[in-house]
Amino acid sequence: EPEVTQTPSHQVTQMGQEVILRCVPISNHLYFYWYRQILGQKVEFLVSFYNNEISEKSEIFDDQFSVERPDGSNFTLKIRSTKLEDSAMYFCARDTGTGRHEQYFGPGTRLTVT
Amino acid sequence: GESVGLHLPTLSVQEGDNSIINCAYSNSASDYFIWYKQESGKGPQFIIDIRSNMDKRQGQRVTVLLNKTVKHLSLQIAATQPGDSAVYFCAENIRSSGNTPLVFGKGTRLSVIA
Repeated sequence: EPEVTQTPSHQVTQMGQEVILRCVPISNHLYFYWYRQILGQKVEFLVSFYNNEISEKSEIFDDQFSVERPDGSNFTLKIRSTKLEDSAMYFCARDTGTGRHEQYFGPGTRLTVT
Repeated sequence: GESVGLHLPTLSVQEGDNSIINCAYSNSASDYFIWYKQESGKGPQFIIDIRSNMDKRQGQRVTVLLNKTVKHLSLQIAATQPGDSAVYFCAENIRSSGNTPLVFGKGTRLSVIA
């Protein structure tokens, strides 16, 4: 099954700036996830989003983060005031929509905070 | 604490040989496990999964073995090819329902020597 697409592929921003990362579903899935992977480290869960609401979030997902589905299609992750330690790959993932466990990941956005 | 981890950070194998990548988990309630392959600059790619009520599952050139007694998971790749070079992650879902976050291990880098 196809994954999701993500834009941009690479985002460079200055510390303190806001960034918006976008995830575009191939079809009308209900469950989406954002994960983060700091360079050389494991993939970490940030937040899950179901039916236009946050379903679950991790400790990493603090007040600096927010998620939206502003137009019913694109799914965004916003970081309000970026920090150096936010530099990472950010992956959007979707489930199969059937209640099964598999999650399929997008290609990711590399965020570099300078 | 970390629930999922890996025994070996790197593994080098000759082309044509079989590869075995190991993973230990600590949560006995984990119900579902997935192996992902991540190539450089890309998102995790689903390889194979296994439920906790199984001890073996086979795919194309890959086999996943689950030993619940010692909480150990392994991925076996038959006739390893250069295209198998990547970082491999095990991930677990600690709840039996779908649509829940995955907990990833740290990853093992597989290098295939031609």
